[in-house]
Amino acid sequence: NAGVTQTPKFQVLKTGQSMTLQCAQDMNHEYMSWYRQDPGMGLRLIHYSVGAGITDQGEVPNGYNVSRSTTEDFPLRLLSAAPSQTSVYFCASSYQGQGDEQYFGPGTRLTVT
Amino acid sequence: EDKVVQSPLSLVVHEGDTVTLNCSYEVTNFRSLLWYKQEKKAPTFLFMLTSSGIEKKSGRLSSILDKKELFSILNITATQTGDSAVYLCAVSTGANSKLTFGKGITLSVRP
Repeated sequence: NAGVTQTPKFQVLKTGQSMTLQCAQDMNHEYMSWYRQDPGMGLRLIHYSVGAGITDQGEVPNGYNVSRSTTEDFPLRLLSAAPSQTSVYFCASSYQGQGDEQYFGPGTRLTVT
Repeated sequence: EDKVVQSPLSLVVHEGDTVTLNCSYEVTNFRSLLWYKQEKKAPTFLFMLTSSGIEKKSGRLSSILDKKELFSILNITATQTGDSAVYLCAVSTGANSKLTFGKGITLSVRP
């Protein structure tokens, strides 16, 4: 099992560019989530999904889009990057819900200039 | 708005010391409280607590939940330099078990 994988590991964008952060898991988990982590802020939930075709907003959803067409994949799209989106992004999955043990991907460090 | 507060924000101890990390919460529809360890990479799961007063233990780490006073503690005994990390507390709420994280406690263990 590869667990939760994320690509790319690092990315630099210019303000206004768009891009997609990829996340995949091979554990057949129903629940997947995206978090961002900023210094001194802990982890903040961006969007989450309780199964294929079902997504919902978290604490900080503005400027991000998600979709869940398969159980395995949960991409995060930045529509028009802003410097405030400079952060480390983690994808996570769990079997029964976010309140259960979550498995985190290695993270993507994004810088927007 | 759900709130999770961890204290202290940072801590420096020497090897062999015992430390207690605190997590308090104010949430609606509590389901569980989780502790994670983060060492410069992705968080890794330590404990999940759902019932008051039942201690969870793993080696030198232990944790307990008080649902009446709305807090949890994570104890680490005989600390080692490998315990240096950020310790995150998170609370799961609601039907979809959404997680709200605290800001984390940075623990530094000096040799």
